[in-house]
Amino acid sequence: ETGVTQTPRHLVMGMTNKKSLKCEQHLGHNAMYWYKQSAKKPLELMFVYNFKEQTENNSVPSRFSPECPNSSHLFLHLHTLQPEDSALYLCASSQDVGTGGGGEQFFGPGTRLTVL
Amino acid sequence: KNQVEQSPQSLIILEGKNCTLQCNYTVSPFSNLRWYKQDTGRGPVSLTIMTFSENTKSNGRYTATLDADTKQSSLHITASQLSDSASYICVVTSYKYIFGTGTRLKVLA
Repeated sequence: ETGVTQTPRHLVMGMTNKKSLKCEQHLGHNAMYWYKQSAKKPLELMFVYNFKEQTENNSVPSRFSPECPNSSHLFLHLHTLQPEDSALYLCASSQDVGTGGGGEQFFGPGTRLTVL
Repeated sequence: KNQVEQSPQSLIILEGKNCTLQCNYTVSPFSNLRWYKQDTGRGPVSLTIMTFSENTKSNGRYTATLDADTKQSSLHITASQLSDSASYICVVTSYKYIFGTGTRLKVLA
């Protein structure tokens, strides 16, 4: 995909490991998002960044630490995760933050995370 | 509470058949409603967007409807193909994006 890319596509980690997920968007958007997708649940919004500034943290545990160095890149740093954190982590971008008419969100392919 | 509910949760149909997926929402204020298709192991991809004044919109074999009075939307798939096997997610935009749980569709040969 050339729109929103995510690496790695698959990740297996132990509970004591530290790893990072990377997202990059090539669409010139200003807003970027991290979502968690678990089986049979709606997508859960984790973090929102607009113009590199965090505008929303949806009560996410501190073992997930986002970083947005610029409008095109978004990272999710992981440490001391729990098995229940195993899920598909999706990154998305949109022209700006979705307030009353937010633009279409474009999603990356996701990172399938397994915590042992 | 802003909510988006989809039905059925899962659906199995034979190739060539039609099907209709439902989305009911209790979201206010309403800005627009999107249907996304998510293939296994991939991110969601937008199929169509419905605004308050639109009743019907088509995208190839996909036709979305919106009844803003009853707060219901449907996605109709005509002449299904094996490649239609995926999850279909309804997303309503208010001050935020409100996601439904999705309908998992499997098309059998």
